Amino acid sequence: DIVMTQSPDSLAVSLGERATINCKSSQSVLYSSNNKNYVAWYQQKPGQPPKVLIYWASIRESGVPDRFSGSGSGTDFTLTISSLQAEDVAVYYCQQYYNVPYSFGQGTKLEIK
Amino acid sequence: EVQLLESGGGLVQPGGSLRLSCAASGFTFSSYAMNWVRQAPGKGLEWVSVVCADDSNTYYADSVKGRFTISRDNSKNTLYLQMNHLTADDTAVYFCARGRIASCYDACAYWGQGTLVTVSS
Repeated sequence: DIVMTQSPDSLAVSLGERATINCKSSQSVLYSSNNKNYVAWYQQKPGQPPKVLIYWASIRESGVPDRFSGSGSGTDFTLTISSLQAEDVAVYYCQQYYNVPYSFGQGTKLEIK
Repeated sequence: EVQLLESGGGLVQPGGSLRLSCAASGFTFSSYAMNWVRQAPGKGLEWVSVVCADDSNTYYADSVKGRFTISRDNSKNTLYLQMNHLTADDTAVYFCARGRIASCYDACAYWGQGTLVTVSS
């Protein structure tokens, strides 16, 4: 089974500053036949279901602000928020859907410094 | 508008059973894989199961394999999760979720609000 490990577990960033969350998979999630990385990023606010931000590691979901971006390939991935806004306070999860059982990272709690 | 509405949660004793439902609307239900994802109180997300669009393939997390069964009724636009031999570790909010595209291997783009399952004596 593929294990997804996020770092850090929590992060405090000042408004307007950059926030970076990392995610490492225990094996490659790059499918060579289509050159796609089967990784998604989600944002979850208290009392709400998760919301997908990024899929295929770097494709922003429709309606997601462009301050959110995803990068990486193979086993190492990053979610970047270029200029933190107050409404970005949430827990962020990465997920691999390359192989079943699909798996999530443990989550990163993002707060305002 | 895509809508997913879970139901069937509640309090159940250890060793008991429960069936969750997820009523779908706003899209062609039969064309999409459907997932169950759970979240224990104060904890992270755990993927539970997926049923692919053609209903021929189902997959489970190791933690529920042999105890949970995912199924779908395309005539009723409804997803199910039959949960047997429940333990306290199964206590969680259970979300149903749909992918973006008609593939089993996809991110979960649409989520219901979840239904709470509590396993306790």
